[in-house]
Amino acid sequence: GNSVTQMEGPVTLSEEAFLTINCTYTATGYPSLFWYVQYPGEGLQLLLKATKADDKGSNKGFEATYRKETTSFHLEKGSVQVSDSAVYFCALSEGRDDKIIFGKGTRLHILP
Amino acid sequence: NAGVTQTPKFQVLKTGQSMTLQCAQDMNHNSMYWYRQDPGMGLRLIYYSASEGTTDKGEVPNGYNVSRLNKREFSLRLESAAPSQTSVYFCASRSRGYNSPLHFGNGTRLTVT
Repeated sequence: GNSVTQMEGPVTLSEEAFLTINCTYTATGYPSLFWYVQYPGEGLQLLLKATKADDKGSNKGFEATYRKETTSFHLEKGSVQVSDSAVYFCALSEGRDDKIIFGKGTRLHILP
Repeated sequence: NAGVTQTPKFQVLKTGQSMTLQCAQDMNHNSMYWYRQDPGMGLRLIYYSASEGTTDKGEVPNGYNVSRLNKREFSLRLESAAPSQTSVYFCASRSRGYNSPLHFGNGTRLTVT
């Protein structure tokens, strides 16, 4: 079945550091890929998405490129801020059914 | 625009008690979902409904039932709560099509003692 694997956390960085959170997936078809962010005490909200190979999703300085050859969708940001501290989830959705599969989440701490 | 509304926000139950978690969306979405979130486990799908009148099991359906009352509302029922059901529950919805993103409610924190 479909699955998503993302790097274990927590990840702790200093402000203005470069961020990478790895995400790889397994799917039998051609999924759409998503990154969601969860701030403390809130539900998840969409950060960015990509729907086909080589697409790049971007939002709020975050980027992720859909790499079919490596089945990856790594999240990157060039210069993180304290306000980026949150939990980040990678997810996939495939056309055969209506399920969305999530990774286990990566907690990010940014130190001032 | 309210989006996805969940009630209650917090609930404490004793083992064996029953309760229903309510969820409503005002975005005219076809699909609705219930997830649970546990530390170190990410989000796990309990049940989902691809359209009004249909429901399907997700990854962890045991101990739960759902009702898609109409297009707006999708409730989750615990008939006999167990401590293993202590979790944060999220309802979500999305429009038709696998490219569409999920819209989440703010969650219900349930404790079963």
